[in-house]
Order: sequence, then structure tokens, then C-alpha cells
Amino acid sequence: SQQGEEDPQALSIQEGENATMNCSYKTSINNLQWYRQNSGRGLVHLILIRSNEREKHSGRLRVTLDTSKKSSSLLITASRAADTASYFCEGLTGGGNKLTFGTGTQLKVEL
Amino acid sequence: DGGITQSPKYLFRKEGQNVTLSCEQNLNHDAMYWYRQDPGQGLRLIYYSQIVNDFQKGDIAEGYSVSREKKESFPLTVTSAQKNPTAFYLCASSMGQMNTEAFFGQGTRLTVV
Repeated sequence: SQQGEEDPQALSIQEGENATMNCSYKTSINNLQWYRQNSGRGLVHLILIRSNEREKHSGRLRVTLDTSKKSSSLLITASRAADTASYFCEGLTGGGNKLTFGTGTQLKVEL
Repeated sequence: DGGITQSPKYLFRKEGQNVTLSCEQNLNHDAMYWYRQDPGQGLRLIYYSQIVNDFQKGDIAEGYSVSREKKESFPLTVTSAQKNPTAFYLCASSMGQMNTEAFFGQGTRLTVV
């Protein structure tokens, strides 16, 4: 099954710094989404970027998509301690509605 | 309030027993999904359903079973055939069309002793 792969696996930064995490995938997708998971909780949708888009913004989030490299990046600017969570990318293929996730990046934002 | 609800939050069972995890949504979503998450790991798809009375196996369906008799409900049964059932189980739903986000329940943590 097609699955995204996030990089790095873990990231620790100071509050106020920017956090960048990357996602690579193997097969063509129609869109790519990023989710956040706080420890022991469900996932929360952050942002969706379509295959014909290259960049998208939502508040402090900036997502890029490079379909030629089959990769996406999520940038969180001016990070806060509350951003501490795991972040997952998910690709939706044209064949249906099967969602597949990567293993996630664990972000820790320290005061 | 619209949402997706999993119950119970914590579940303990003895080895060899079947156990059913509940997932209900009132979002009028067509598609529903079950994932398993192990400590420090990503999500692995167990089963998914795009429409009532239809479901497909995901990547790790062995030892699990599901039903989709109602649009709102997608229960997951962890059978005694599942060799390592202790995990965090997440249910999700989406409109079932491309380019739509998934909504997740808060999860059920199953411990088999």
C-alpha cells in the first residue's frame, strides 16, 4: 500500500522558532493532507493541498507540494509549546478513498 | 454537536476473548475507517467502508472483522485470532469524496492481558 514517510522522525525546538517537517510518498496522489495528533488522542486535520497547488497557507502553517519529487513540507512558524504533537501526512489516491498515513514526525516545542 | 464517537475509551480483555469497539458518527459521512496505532508508530489501516453494507480490507485486516449495517455505525471486532491485539484503535469518517478531510474519534486503548 502506498504510504507517506515523514522526516525527521523527531524534532525538538525552542518556542518562537520555526519547525519544518517533510513528507515523501511513492505513488501519484490527488491531494495531500497534514494532520496533528496530541498524545493519546485522535488526529486533527490541519490543511489540505491539491495536486495542482504548489503552496498553501493557513495561519502559522505553510504547506508546499512538489509532485515531481513526490514530496511535501509543513512549516510551522513562530512555534508555541502548544504545537507539541505528532504530525502526519496522508495521501489520497485517485483510486478511491483509502487514506494512508506515514509514521509521523514528533515535534517538541520547549519553553 | 456533530462528530465521531468511539467507545469505550479504555478496554481491558482477557486473552482469547473477542471484543467489539464502537464507532458512531452523526456527520452523514459515507466513508468510515479503522486504524491501529502502536506506541511511537503511525497509523495502519485495518478496514474501511465507502458505503453502507460494503467494506474492504486494509493493510492489516487479519484477526479483525467489521460490519456496516448503518451509515452511522462501523463497529470493529478484535477476534482471538489477532495475535497482538493490545494497541490504540482510531476510527475516522469522511464524506467519501476525494479532497475531503477525515474526522477522527478520540480512540480506544485496548489492553489484552
